[in-house]
Amino acid sequence: RKEVEQDPGPFNVPEGATVAFNCTYSNSASQSFFWYRQDCRKEPKLLMSVYSSGNEDGRFTAQLNRASQYISLLIRDSKLSDSATYLCVVMVSYQLTFGKGTKLSVIP
Amino acid sequence: GAVVSQHPSWVICKSGTSVKIECRSLDFQATTMFWYRQFPKQSLMLMATSNEGSKATYEQGVEKDKFLINHASLTLSTLTVTSAHPEDSSFYICSATQQTRSSYEQYFGPGTRLTVT
Repeated sequence: RKEVEQDPGPFNVPEGATVAFNCTYSNSASQSFFWYRQDCRKEPKLLMSVYSSGNEDGRFTAQLNRASQYISLLIRDSKLSDSATYLCVVMVSYQLTFGKGTKLSVIP
Repeated sequence: GAVVSQHPSWVICKSGTSVKIECRSLDFQATTMFWYRQFPKQSLMLMATSNEGSKATYEQGVEKDKFLINHASLTLSTLTVTSAHPEDSSFYICSATQQTRSSYEQYFGPGTRLTVT
């Protein structure tokens, strides 16, 4: 079983749609959780950290369920500029493990 | 957020030569930096953890004699790919950690695209 698994995608959605990304992780000792976005041929950029209480940043909402080892990201009112690959990332002992990512294309 | 730079951004070299990649944290000190490699359509894979003033810790399957890491200061780590071969062609990305109130966050350099001919 892979350490961090994500929806394989790709997701193709119209502008304004709501899109959800799901992720599961296998290491119960995982300490911190993040969503990164990566544009084509660029480095990953931190989108948001994910907390057990859930957190929201504008159109983005992240949720963490430690019991089921599940992380989610919801994007509301998607924009063309949201098109990217979204990476679920888990930290154990200050080392990051990345999921393979889910590619999102927002279509006009 | 914190800024991490990498140099060069891309490099083409001949098989058998060595290439040095620099990673700098520009506005913060990083006692720990990480080196990743990403092949096309694959996820980032951690190669090694670089600690200032001590030897790097390499992940399983990464040859320490081939990928030399030096972390001589709190703002600079270097990765040297020695005797590069075409299979070493990849996107090499470094990151540096910054402690926030609630967690350690990693910030990535822009990456170095290496092509070995």
